Amino acid sequence: DAKTTQPPSMDCAEGRAANLPCNHSTISGNEYVYWYRQIHSQGPQYIIHGLKNNETNEMASLIITEDRKSSTLILPHATLRDTAVYYCIASGRGVGSGNTGKLIFGQGTTLQVKP
Amino acid sequence: GAVVSQHPSWVICKSGTSVKIECRSLDFQATTMFWYRQFPKQSLMLMATSNEGSKATYEQGVEKDKFLINHASLTLSTLTVTSAHPEDSSFYICSARVLGGANTEAFFGQGTRLTVV
Repeated sequence: DAKTTQPPSMDCAEGRAANLPCNHSTISGNEYVYWYRQIHSQGPQYIIHGLKNNETNEMASLIITEDRKSSTLILPHATLRDTAVYYCIASGRGVGSGNTGKLIFGQGTTLQVKP
Repeated sequence: GAVVSQHPSWVICKSGTSVKIECRSLDFQATTMFWYRQFPKQSLMLMATSNEGSKATYEQGVEKDKFLINHASLTLSTLTVTSAHPEDSSFYICSARVLGGANTEAFFGQGTRLTVV
C-alpha cells in the first residue's frame, strides 16, 4: 500500500472552502485514494474515494491529479462540525496478488474550522 | 453509508481478566474485517485482518495469543483481549469491508474505549 503525506494541521474559516492536500507519489495503478475523517473519540467516517477521475458527493469533492501522485479533498462550505482529523489513504480493492485491502492510516491533517 | 456497530462502547475491567468486543456489519455482508487500536493523540494502528471462516492475520508486533479474533460469520467479528493489563487500555476500532466488490470503501464502528484498572 502506497504511503501518503499530509500537512499536520490546517485552519479554515467557517463558510469557506477547505482544501486538504495529500501526496501519494508512489501510488500504484490499482490503488484507490480514500478519504476518511475522525471526530474526537469516534470511529472514522468515510467521506469519498476515487481512482483517477474527480469525484463529488454530498459531503465533498475529490480532485486527483492526472499523474495520480497527489489529490485534494474539498469541503465546499466548511462548518464548525467539520473540525476533525482527515486521513488520506491509498489502498487497493483487495483482489489480486499482494493486494491486501488494508487501510493503513498515517497521521492525517487536523482541520480546525474557526468562526 | 453502511452501518457497522461495535459493542460495548466502553468497558472497564480489572487487570488479569478478559474482555470481548463485538463488531457487526448491520446492513451488508463483509468479506473482511479489520481491527485497529488507537492511543491518545495518535493515529489508528492496524492490529489484524480477519476473514470470515479463516484465521486472522496479525500485524507485526501484535500478539495473536493475547488478542484473539473470531470471525464466525459475514456479519460478526469479535476481538477478545485476554489477561488484560493497564497498558492494554486503549480505543479499539473495527472496520468492515467488501473486498473486490463494486463498493470498495470500508466502514468503521464507533469504537470501544477499554480501561484496565
